Amino acid sequence: QSALTQPPSASGSPGQSVTISCTGTSSDVGGYNYVSWYQQHPGKAPKFMIYEVSRRPSGVPDRFSGSKSGNTASLTVSGLQAEDEADYYCSSYAGSNNLVFGGGTKLTVL
Amino acid sequence: EVQLVESGGGLVQPGRSLRLSCAASGFTFDDYAMNWVRQAPGKGLEWVSGINWNSAGIGYADSVKGRFTISRDNAKNSLYLQMNSLRAEDTALYYCAKDGYGSQGAIDYWGQGTLVTVSS
Repeated sequence: QSALTQPPSASGSPGQSVTISCTGTSSDVGGYNYVSWYQQHPGKAPKFMIYEVSRRPSGVPDRFSGSKSGNTASLTVSGLQAEDEADYYCSSYAGSNNLVFGGGTKLTVL
Repeated sequence: EVQLVESGGGLVQPGRSLRLSCAASGFTFDDYAMNWVRQAPGKGLEWVSGINWNSAGIGYADSVKGRFTISRDNAKNSLYLQMNSLRAEDTALYYCAKDGYGSQGAIDYWGQGTLVTVSS
């Protein structure tokens, strides 16, 4: 159960796109299409943004999209807005009722 | 409206025990798997444990296996986490979190958390 690997930081200017990666193994990210993404603002509980790699819950703007290739999943935020500045975490089902999170990425809107 | 309200956190000495509770409302509790996720001060999210709707499927992070026990009481719409042999590294904000969308590990609702501090 090793944590998924995310870059510590990412940044972009308003209106630009930014992609955050999430690398695991064939036992988690690569083995299941159960990757989720969460947004967390300081002092707040995480917010559910993406599930099953690329599906958006109701209410999440379509500026947020997800994808996966092999053992690496990605979250892309298009048309960056100031309120997108937050920490982002990926997670993946890892079999046998286990879940694993990534270390988190701090997204800065320049 | 879905509500998850955690309780039971506090200051505890290393080696002692603590039991966290989560009161759920606003949804059919016994239809969903539930989880405990923790966040150490200034650190990232760490999944601690999960339990399916009928308690037949349970998982634990390696870091807590053998020390923590998750359980639920569907009649009381409640989730629990019994934490034994606590260590300093267990200090964190503990979130109660609900699975959703019929998907493995898709956590659609989170409580506000209860803080556990392990220190002498």
